[in-house]
Amino acid sequence: SQTIHQWPATLVQPVGSPLSLECTVEGTSNPNLYWYRQAAGRGLQLLFYSVGIGQISSEVPQNLSASRPQDRQFILSSKKLLLSDSGFYLCAWSTGTDEKLFFGSGTQLSVL
Amino acid sequence: QQQVKQSPQSLIVQKGGISIINCAYENTAFDYFPWYQQFPGKGPALLIAIRPDVSEKKEGRFTISFNKSAKQFSLHIMDSQPGDSATYFCAASKADKLIFGTGTRLQVFP
Repeated sequence: SQTIHQWPATLVQPVGSPLSLECTVEGTSNPNLYWYRQAAGRGLQLLFYSVGIGQISSEVPQNLSASRPQDRQFILSSKKLLLSDSGFYLCAWSTGTDEKLFFGSGTQLSVL
Repeated sequence: QQQVKQSPQSLIVQKGGISIINCAYENTAFDYFPWYQQFPGKGPALLIAIRPDVSEKKEGRFTISFNKSAKQFSLHIMDSQPGDSATYFCAASKADKLIFGTGTRLQVFP
């Protein structure tokens, strides 16, 4: 069966520090991968999605970036965090053959 | 531009009652409309989904009603239970990208 791992579960970082969140998927090949952000009291905002290694599409201009160095690995990064980057970050995957989206357990990021 | 509008923002229902959450979309190219359920501190999980070729889909106590001409769809939770207390998101998609509504926090009291 397929599983998605996302870590860390919680993270507290000072403003201006770098960020690296990692997500891996097991049990499937060539998944579509997504990063969403959920701000307090707001919906799920699509940040990045990838249909293959090295292929990243950005949905929202910001100081975040994403990379997909391996087929089932998706990384969200920032060189310098802003206060506004605080939120709940969710990695998700789909097979690419249907629209069902499967989410990880999320990372609660607090930028202080 | 918000492509999927969801209401209400929060909902309080008594145990055994019916919970109704509504969504409206703008893009007529959307062809898949799921609902996700999220418990605190967890990622959302797919609850039920519908395609525009049917007007209703029922799974247990959960029903989606879909009105293509009005570009609206809704989630009905029959016999609501305290365990249904969660945040619910509607979504719409075309070509592998899900656009989510802003969520509805449902609280079911005994």
